[in-house]
Parts: sequence; C-alpha cells; structure tokens
Amino acid sequence: EAAVTQSPRNKVAVTGGKVTLSCNQTNNHNNMYWYRQDTGHGLRLIHYSYGAGSTEKGDIPDGYKASRPSQENFSLILELATPSQTSVYFCASGHGGASEQYFGPGTRLTVL
Amino acid sequence: TQTVSQSDAHVTVFEGDSVELRCNYSYGGSIYLSWYIQHHGRGLQFLLKYYSGNPVVQGVNGFEAEFSKSDSSFHLRKASVHWSDSAVYFCAVSATGANTGKLTFGHGTILRVHP
Repeated sequence: EAAVTQSPRNKVAVTGGKVTLSCNQTNNHNNMYWYRQDTGHGLRLIHYSYGAGSTEKGDIPDGYKASRPSQENFSLILELATPSQTSVYFCASGHGGASEQYFGPGTRLTVL
Repeated sequence: TQTVSQSDAHVTVFEGDSVELRCNYSYGGSIYLSWYIQHHGRGLQFLLKYYSGNPVVQGVNGFEAEFSKSDSSFHLRKASVHWSDSAVYFCAVSATGANTGKLTFGHGTILRVHP
C-alpha cells in the first residue's frame, strides 16, 4: 500500500516565525509535490521535486522554500510565516508523467 | 497553461440515484485527465484517469468517466450512489510530454448523498 505521511498534522505559528512541514513517502517515487488547499481555490502546486537534491517552483512558490534531502523526504519551509499562508497543506508522491499521485493526510497550518 | 472548470460547487442526491459531476478543461496541447476523491479531513485519493484510447474509463467503486475532445470535457458518473460516496471530487489535468506530473485541479464538487 502506497504511504505518504506528513508531520505535524496541525500547527499554529506566529507571524514572522519559521515553519517547516515534513513529508515522508515509502513508495520509492521519484517525484514529490507540495500543494495548498483553500476554499474557492482547490489545490494549488507550491513546489515539486524530481528526486533527491532537486526542487522546482510550482504555480504559487512565493513565500515558500522546499528541500528534498533524500528520496523519501520532502520539506516545505516558510521562512517568515504570514497569516495569508494559513491553509491546509498536502504532500504527494508519484512517478511523474501520466501516473497518479498519492497524497498524505494533510497539515492544517494556522498563522496568527 | 491548462485550466479546469467544475461548474457545480455542490450536488445533492439520494442513495441509489445516479450522478454526474461535470468537468471541462482548456488546453491547446495533449493532456491527460484524472479524478480524485477527498473524504472529510483526509487526503486526496485517485479514482481514475484518461490518457488515450477508449474514452470511457472505469475507476474504483463503480465510478466511470467519459472523455470528449469536442466538448473539452471529462465528466464523472456513477449509476447508483451510496451514502459513503459523500465527499469532495476533484478533476485534474496534466500536460503530457513532460515528466513533471504537475496537476492542475478544479475547485472541486461537494457531493452529498442522503440516505
């Protein structure tokens, strides 16, 4: 069974603070993705990666950094969190191309 | 740039009814289309996809979708829904020819199935 886990599941941060969201996959997929989900916007791609050491900008990368230190792990970093980054964040993995993506359970981030 | 439109934000039916969730896309090149389901408080789960060949594709739990190039559509259907089908359904599109696998999602359709 494909498995993508995220931590933490819930996070409250203060404006201007640093936040790191972590994602781990045991699918041995090369590609990993970070999305945010907001009411009225569906899911939007923030960053993605082709493999260890690779990070690429998605559709809404401003205010976010990503890190892929290994095949299994992909982090999303908010260096200076803002209230507009309050959202639910999903990590996913996949083989790329036309293959389906496997999603984690999500992290609910609230920035006060 | 590809876009996806799901015209119905909410659909409400009764158990045993048939349902169709609409998806229209716009893109000038070759794409593949997929549907995902999200139960409350959970991550998205893959339902089905169309890449080429037979325009009617079968998915899990009795779902199917039909691709129409002329209508730029990929509507999802189920002949007889169950209360457990209540969820948010997302249509997604990705351009072929690249390994990115980047998905562009519609805004989602909330399906409520009354028992």
